[in-house]
Amino acid sequence: QSALTQPASVSGSPGQSITISCTGSSSDLSVYNFVSWLQQHPGKAPKLMIYDVSKRPSGVSNRFSGSKSGNTASLTISGLQAEDEADYYCTSYTGTSTVFGGGTKLTVV
Amino acid sequence: QEQLVESGGGLVKPGGSLRLSCAASGFTFSEYYMSWIRQAPGKGLEWLSYISSSGGTISNADSVKGRFTISRDNAKNTLYLQMNSLRAEDTAVYYCAREGTWGRGAFHIWGQGTMVTVSS
Repeated sequence: QSALTQPASVSGSPGQSITISCTGSSSDLSVYNFVSWLQQHPGKAPKLMIYDVSKRPSGVSNRFSGSKSGNTASLTISGLQAEDEADYYCTSYTGTSTVFGGGTKLTVV
Repeated sequence: QEQLVESGGGLVKPGGSLRLSCAASGFTFSEYYMSWIRQAPGKGLEWLSYISSSGGTISNADSVKGRFTISRDNAKNTLYLQMNSLRAEDTAVYYCAREGTWGRGAFHIWGQGTMVTVSS
């Protein structure tokens, strides 16, 4: 049940696009298309932004998109806005559990 | 609206026990897999345990195997986490979360969390 690997931090300016990577192993990301991304603002519960690699829940902006290649998944946020500043976590189903990435702090400068 | 509300957190001594509850409303609780997830202060999210919609399938993270037990009462729309032999490293905010209609491992609905502090 090893954690997925994410960069500790990324930053971007308003209006720009950023991509957060999430690297797994042969037992999770590369096997299942059950990858999701969560957004968490300080002191708040996480919110689902992407599931099943690239699907957006109702109400989530289409500025958020997800993809996967091999054992690496990616979250792209286009047209960065101040309210996108938050922690982002990837997850992957492993067949018997769900593993989380360590989290990436997005700073909108 | 779809909602999860956790309760039962608090301060407990090392070696002690605590039972968390998660009350569901606004959706058909008995149709969904449910999980417990925690977040230690200043740290990331850690999946702990899931239970199938009927309660017939359970899986636990290695970190809590033999100490924590997930269960559910579909008649009461409530999820539980029985935590025994608590350690200082179990100090965290504990969230319950609901998976989606299809697929696995994505947590569509989250509770607000309940804080558990293990300290003497």
